[in-house]
Formats: sequence, C-alpha cells, structure tokens
Amino acid sequence: GENVEQHPSTLSVQEGDSAVIKCTYSDSASNYFPWYKQELGKRPQLIIDIRSNVGEKKDQRIAVTLNKTAKHFSLHITETQPEDSAVYFCAAAWTGTASKLTFGTGTRLQVTL
Amino acid sequence: AAGVIQSPRHLIKEKRETATLKCYPIPRHDTVYWYQQGPGQDPQFLISFYEKMQSDKGSIPDRFSAQQFSDYHSELNMSSLELGDSALYFCASSLRDTQYFGPGTRLTVL
Repeated sequence: GENVEQHPSTLSVQEGDSAVIKCTYSDSASNYFPWYKQELGKRPQLIIDIRSNVGEKKDQRIAVTLNKTAKHFSLHITETQPEDSAVYFCAAAWTGTASKLTFGTGTRLQVTL
Repeated sequence: AAGVIQSPRHLIKEKRETATLKCYPIPRHDTVYWYQQGPGQDPQFLISFYEKMQSDKGSIPDRFSAQQFSDYHSELNMSSLELGDSALYFCASSLRDTQYFGPGTRLTVL
C-alpha cells in the first residue's frame, strides 16, 4: 500500500518568513495530493491540492509543487502569519472511486512574532 | 455552504459498551469515508462507501461495522469498546476526489 513520509515534524518560523514542508510517497499510482491544515481538536481543512498532471499550483500565499519522477511534493507558505500556526498534513490518493487518503505524519508549524 | 455533519460531537463510554457514530455528508456527495485519529497521530482510514456500497476497508477492527443508508448518511457502529478506541473519529464526504471533513466525534472510553 501507499506510504507517505513528511518532514519536518516541527517547524518554527518568524512572522513574515517562509515555511516549506516536504512529503514523499511510495505508490506511483497515486495522482492526487491534498494538503490539510488542522488546528487542535478541529477537523482537517483542505488548503490546497494538486493532481499529477500539474507541476505547481498557487493560491495566494500558499503553493504546492509536485515532482512525479522523484515522488515528492512540497507545501510552501510565504509571508507567514500567527494564524498559520497549526499542524499540516500532506496526503496521497489516486483519483478513483472512493479512494482513501494516506496521510503523512504531520508537521507542527509555529509562527512566532 | 453546507458541510459534513457528525453526531454526537462528544461521547463517553465504558469498556465493553457499544457506540454509534453518525455522519451526514454534504448534499449530493456520493462517497463517505471514516477516519480515526489518535492523539498526536495522523488520521487513519477505516472504511469508505460509494453509492451505499462498501468501497474500501482499511485498518478497521472486526468489532467495528459501518453502513451507508438510502439517504447517504452513514453510521459507524463500535462494539466491545476498548480503552485504545479513544480517539477522534472523522467522517469525510466527496463527490469526486476532494474530501471534506466533518467536525469529528471525540470518543472517550473509560
């Protein structure tokens, strides 16, 4: 089955700096890669996703890149703000019917003033 | 916009009791997923349903069962509860590949 590794497990940045979180996946059949933000005790919230026919996607301060050959994808957050502090999960799936998400182990991002 | 609804939000049970968690997907979504998230862990896939039929099964104990009803809501039934079943249980729904999560049910087994 699919295995997703995520690094780093914790990341502390100063407000205004950029943050980068990296994930690798094992199953070459995976072609859908969402990123979720989860605050303590709350639901995972989708912040951005990318499909394997696209190499990069951007939404305001958030961008995701995908390297299919190397089987890795990354989340980039620019101009970080205190409200960006949360746990971020990457995930991988294939775009079939009812395809489950396999999550990475999460990155706790702390944005300090 | 309508979101995924889960009930109850909190549930406290004793060991060996049973629990039933309910999930109401976003209207017109045809797929429901259940995930279990322990403290400090990533969500782990349990089971999914597409058009009321079980589609995939993950690391779900035999003590757990689930179904999706004609109105597309789903229920996760958990029997012979163990201390290790204490976790957040999320339901997610999708129309295609993008999954939207409900607020979760926090189950505490004493």
